[in-house]
Amino acid sequence: DAGVIQSPRHEVTEMGQEVTLRCKPISGHNSLFWYRQTMMRGLELLIYFNNNVPIDDSGMPEDRFSAKMPNASFSTLKIQPSEPRDSAVYFCASRRTSAWSYEQYFGPGTRLTVT
Amino acid sequence: EDQVTQSPEALRLQEGESSSLNCSYTVSGLRGLFWYRQDPGKGPEFLFTLYSAGEEKEKERLKATLTKKESFLHITAPKPEDSATYLCAVQARETAGNMLTFGGGTRLMVKP
Repeated sequence: DAGVIQSPRHEVTEMGQEVTLRCKPISGHNSLFWYRQTMMRGLELLIYFNNNVPIDDSGMPEDRFSAKMPNASFSTLKIQPSEPRDSAVYFCASRRTSAWSYEQYFGPGTRLTVT
Repeated sequence: EDQVTQSPEALRLQEGESSSLNCSYTVSGLRGLFWYRQDPGKGPEFLFTLYSAGEEKEKERLKATLTKKESFLHITAPKPEDSATYLCAVQARETAGNMLTFGGGTRLMVKP
């Protein structure tokens, strides 16, 4: 069974450019999460969706960040314009909403470098 | 506000030297506590979920335990392949949804 798929795995871009990160959750999972990981702040939740609907985006740092989930098998996280302080590893995770299990399954991440 | 603190930040062990990692948490009603393993350049890999004080779970050389204030990840006779960062996370009952709060992690290094 394929896990969470993220693309690209690495992205290097210049300040001011638009960056789009992509995620395909595990088939059958109906909750999707976007996280950012840095050495200074650890793993932070940016936004999560339930049944394709954004539920909580309080972790999104600024209006430069936006996320969409047009269908159950695809989500994007967009940064426009990008800044050097956005450099981090971005993870997507998914889970199946259940009364018996709450664990999330993570993708391999996208390492973003903004110069 | 939910808080998770892991200690130590880093731990060096010799192969075969058993030890424990600590995860202290503050949460308004625990729904679940989760342990993940993260290898360099990879996403966190799910290990265990603990739901109530007194619960224990095991997987190979790892055993996770839970009290009302903290969780321990015991590593028995570790091997070099156990080297990784171990992350602890909690989910509160009152969380409107599925949000996890993560600790800073413990970086474990096992030398042969």
